[in-house]
Amino acid sequence: ETGVTQSPTHLIKTRGQQVTLRCSSQSGHNTVSWYQQALGQGPQFIFQYYREEENGRGNFPPRFSGLQFPNYSSELNVNALELDDSALYLCAFNSAGTEAFFGQGTRLTVV
Amino acid sequence: GEDVEQSLFLSVREGDSSVINCTYTDSSSTYLYWYKQEPGAGLQLLTYIFSNMDMKQDQRLTVLLNKKDKHLSLRIADTQTGDSAIYFCAETLGGYSTLTFGKGTMLLVSP
Repeated sequence: ETGVTQSPTHLIKTRGQQVTLRCSSQSGHNTVSWYQQALGQGPQFIFQYYREEENGRGNFPPRFSGLQFPNYSSELNVNALELDDSALYLCAFNSAGTEAFFGQGTRLTVV
Repeated sequence: GEDVEQSLFLSVREGDSSVINCTYTDSSSTYLYWYKQEPGAGLQLLTYIFSNMDMKQDQRLTVLLNKKDKHLSLRIADTQTGDSAIYFCAETLGGYSTLTFGKGTMLLVSP
């Protein structure tokens, strides 16, 4: 048990719609990262937030955006959903010098 | 090309040793990790090694690092059916905490 909670666990959206995924932690770790894991692939880094500011970004288009709140919880927003956005979305919390603690993920299906 | 590469599949019998291999390309990697992912679940950190170490042992797990060849391996002694999962090799670079993952090795342990 990592203490990282993601919601929802599963959802289905239609192409062109928008989605918001949420992630929170009980641990007090101040840095949150989001990853996209397509079927049969390893997780790919989307972006990271530290002190409510984006602190690094992977090779994802601007329609992937995020927020971090004062309590360190975070949201991932994806606009104009495409079929290829179907994946498991993972978030992870850490602080400087500590390991990353992953949530169980949100399985997004775009139809 | 891929920053981190792994063989895709390994099958062993219960009680045997398993060795999962990984190669990475970035010589500035600071930490190298092994994660386990069971079906429908998030990522569980198994062990990690700092890039100035050659070997780390943790109960049934042994990690070997060959910096010259940029080769990392995970040996699981006395493999059990509960070890069946996908194993990901990952690296972090410099002072950053973002992870770069391989595509994963599926380990199947038969009774």
